[in-house]
Amino acid sequence: SQTIHQWPATLVQPVGSPLSLECTVEGTSNPNLYWYRQAAGRGLQLLFYSVGIGQISSEVPQNLSASRPQDRQFILSSKKLLLSDSGFYLCASILGPDNTGELFFGEGSRLTVL
Amino acid sequence: EDQVTQSPEALRLQEGESSSLNCSYTVSGLRGLFWYRQDPGKGPEFLFTLYSAGEEKEKERLKATLTKKESFLHITAPKPEDSATYLCAVSLGSNYKLTFGKGTLLTVNP
Repeated sequence: SQTIHQWPATLVQPVGSPLSLECTVEGTSNPNLYWYRQAAGRGLQLLFYSVGIGQISSEVPQNLSASRPQDRQFILSSKKLLLSDSGFYLCASILGPDNTGELFFGEGSRLTVL
Repeated sequence: EDQVTQSPEALRLQEGESSSLNCSYTVSGLRGLFWYRQDPGKGPEFLFTLYSAGEEKEKERLKATLTKKESFLHITAPKPEDSATYLCAVSLGSNYKLTFGKGTLLTVNP
């Protein structure tokens, strides 16, 4: 079965500091991977998605970036955090091998920027 | 402009009191409508996928239905453990990118 590991689980960072959130997937190969953010009062917002190693598509212009150095590793980064970057960050992959669209989510990383 | 709107934002029920959650969408070319359950501090958990108007899916006390404009999540005789935020999402194009609504926070009191 598929498992998604995210770390760190919680993070408190000052404004202007860098960020690195990591996501690794087990139990599947060549998955589509996604980064979503869930902020207070807003729905889940798609930030980035990747269909393969080194292939990143950005959905929302912002000071965040993503990378996919390995097939089952997806990293979310920032050089300088803003207050508005606070939120719950979720990594997701396609659930089934036949790509019917169901996403499987990790447990999330909660980021607080002070 | 929101493409996926969920109502109500919050719903309180007594145990055993059946009700429905609504998800309306204003998109064309729908490839699928998805329901998820999210517990506090956790990632969403997949419940159902609906692909065409008239389709229904059931799982325990939950039943999801789909029309051309909206979907309903019916909860029959809910229990306190059904308390969670229920999220609706639509898939429009390729690469299975989902657009989510803001969710309905359901609380079931014993």
